[in-house]
Amino acid sequence: GESVGLHLPTLSVQEGDNSIINCAYSNSASDYFIWYKQESGKGPQFIIDIRSNMDKRQGQRVTVLLNKTVKHLSLQIAATQPGDSAVYFCAESPSPNTGNQFYFGTGTSLTVIP
Amino acid sequence: EPEVTQTPSHQVTQMGQEVILRCVPISNHLYFYWYRQILGQKVEFLVSFYNNEISEKSEIFDDQFSVERPDGSNFTLKIRSTKLEDSAMYFCASSEGAGGNQPQHFGDGTRLSIL
Repeated sequence: GESVGLHLPTLSVQEGDNSIINCAYSNSASDYFIWYKQESGKGPQFIIDIRSNMDKRQGQRVTVLLNKTVKHLSLQIAATQPGDSAVYFCAESPSPNTGNQFYFGTGTSLTVIP
Repeated sequence: EPEVTQTPSHQVTQMGQEVILRCVPISNHLYFYWYRQILGQKVEFLVSFYNNEISEKSEIFDDQFSVERPDGSNFTLKIRSTKLEDSAMYFCASSEGAGGNQPQHFGDGTRLSIL
């Protein structure tokens, strides 16, 4: 099976600081990645995606960086707010992907300190 | 914003009983999925479904599991004879196009507790 893992299981940041959440993936053929946010009692919520032909993509207050050389993905959250407190998962789509499934990492729990 | 809805939010069932988990995907989406998440573990793929048939299934999705799209809006997961280890959160997801290249949008899940 695929292996998608995270470097740190928990992360605490002060409100207003920037957060960086990291993810390592194992399949060099994977060509599409998504970051999801999961709040307590809710399902994974799409944040941002990136394809393997890019190394950076920006959204509102979030940036995803992809380093294919070392198979590493990161999510940067600018000016972190209390509402950003959640578990963040990276998800990987292998290529080819006949079943369209994603492989999820174990998640990083982000706590924002007011 | 359109969303995936799942019912019930919590299901308690005796071991050996059948259970059906229900999902209403986003209306213009064509690809549907079930994932599960055992407490404290990662989200795991179960099955993908397109054009009224299973596209792919994982090792978890054995003969006790089945999926169905009984009408134009619902997508169901049935577990025929539940086991204790089936206790988990079950998430339904959908995508507009082939999910390997497009975001999958998830519901808030059904917590299944097997006694």
